[in-house]
Amino acid sequence: NAGVMQNPRHLVRRRGQEARLRCSPMKGHSHVYWYRQLPEEGLKFMVYLQKENIIDESGMPKERFSAEFPKEGPSILRIQQVVRGDSAAYFCASSPRALSLGSQTDTQYFGPGTRLTVL
Amino acid sequence: SQKIEQNSEALNIQEGKTATLTCNYTNYSPAYLQWYRQDPGRGPVFLLLIRENEKEKRKERLKVTFDTTLKQSLFHITASQPADSATYLCALYPYNAGNMLTFGGGTRLMVKP
Repeated sequence: NAGVMQNPRHLVRRRGQEARLRCSPMKGHSHVYWYRQLPEEGLKFMVYLQKENIIDESGMPKERFSAEFPKEGPSILRIQQVVRGDSAAYFCASSPRALSLGSQTDTQYFGPGTRLTVL
Repeated sequence: SQKIEQNSEALNIQEGKTATLTCNYTNYSPAYLQWYRQDPGRGPVFLLLIRENEKEKRKERLKVTFDTTLKQSLFHITASQPADSATYLCALYPYNAGNMLTFGGGTRLMVKP
């Protein structure tokens, strides 16, 4: 049973280019979360998606960033016109159900991350 | 303002000793709190979850405590080994969070042989 897959693992872009980060959740998981981690900092929530729906995008910058999780295929985090400040590790996590107050096993399974470097 | 604080300085201990890591929070009402391990270049791996009405949870050499009065969780690794060297993250799920886990900045643990 493969874990959460992310690709590419490393991505280098020049300022102004577009970055596309892909995430395939664990089999049977329909909930996907994207996080950003800056050097020496913790994970910052960006967006939470279910199949074909954005549920919570409160952590995502309003401009240049977008995310989708289509019916078929991986979830995509897209960053347009990248700037140096976008350089970070981007992690995707998946879960079999939404986080809730009721389950004893609420957890997210993280992928290995994509390290984006903007030159 | 809301804060989750973990000691940003690395914790260096000798093999065989107990490592204790701290997670303090301010202006949150967590329903539960989780601890994750993160190795360099990798994603976090879930270790333990403790709910607000639980004082202590154990899993093998790991123990987590949760004190909602002190607004603090402690994470202990007993009989530590060099393989335990990693960054440990705490994350909490507040009652009013919607669907969002909020993470601390992590503490790096170095266990020396």
